[in-house]
Amino acid sequence: EVQLVETGGGLVQPGRSLKLSCVASGFTFNNYWMSWTRQAPGKGLEWVASITNSGGSTYYPDSVKGRFTISRDNAQNTLYLQMNSLRSEDTATYYCTRDPDILWGDYWGQGVMVTVSS
Amino acid sequence: DIQMTQSPSLLSASVGDRVTINCKASQNINKYLNWYQQKLGEAPKLLIYNTNNLQTGIPSRFSGSGSGTDYTLTISSLQPEDFGTYFCFQHNSWPYTFGAGTKLELK
Repeated sequence: EVQLVETGGGLVQPGRSLKLSCVASGFTFNNYWMSWTRQAPGKGLEWVASITNSGGSTYYPDSVKGRFTISRDNAQNTLYLQMNSLRSEDTATYYCTRDPDILWGDYWGQGVMVTVSS
Repeated sequence: DIQMTQSPSLLSASVGDRVTINCKASQNINKYLNWYQQKLGEAPKLLIYNTNNLQTGIPSRFSGSGSGTDYTLTISSLQPEDFGTYFCFQHNSWPYTFGAGTKLELK
């Protein structure tokens, strides 16, 4: 059974950093691209970052480029999202997703909440 | 960036109704269009990928169609468990983008 479990969320002050983790199980992790998507409270979905299966390439929207870094440890079956210079508008539930070839987001984690507030 | 305009934003329907949700892209997305369902407090669930491919385990009352810039999700006969919010999503070009969502509620 495919499982994605996110951890690392919490309350953080504006300008500070936070690192999210997503532990994957039930599939061969290094065969898949992976991504992070977020959802602000009561709002829609926003794609945040993607990484190739090898970790050699990463992709971001302008809203987080230069502040967020997606990475992975294929030996540990773990996906990461390093978030720096956090802003109030980064407050959201963050989901990790599995992205098979030519498909996207076939499995989602349960999400982890990040609140940026002083 | 490709803008995804989803309509309607709110849809009231009854069990057994046939419903359609539309998504219009600001440019051609070459059928790289997915549909997700989200229920309150849960993660989104993939229903349809690449316009018209039913994800494993999804009932056949769900179907998708479209090409170019215009795409549609159809539920042929609404069931009680289908109420929730539906999002379209394009993964044709970066940055990937979602529609704003359609809330499907019981009439």
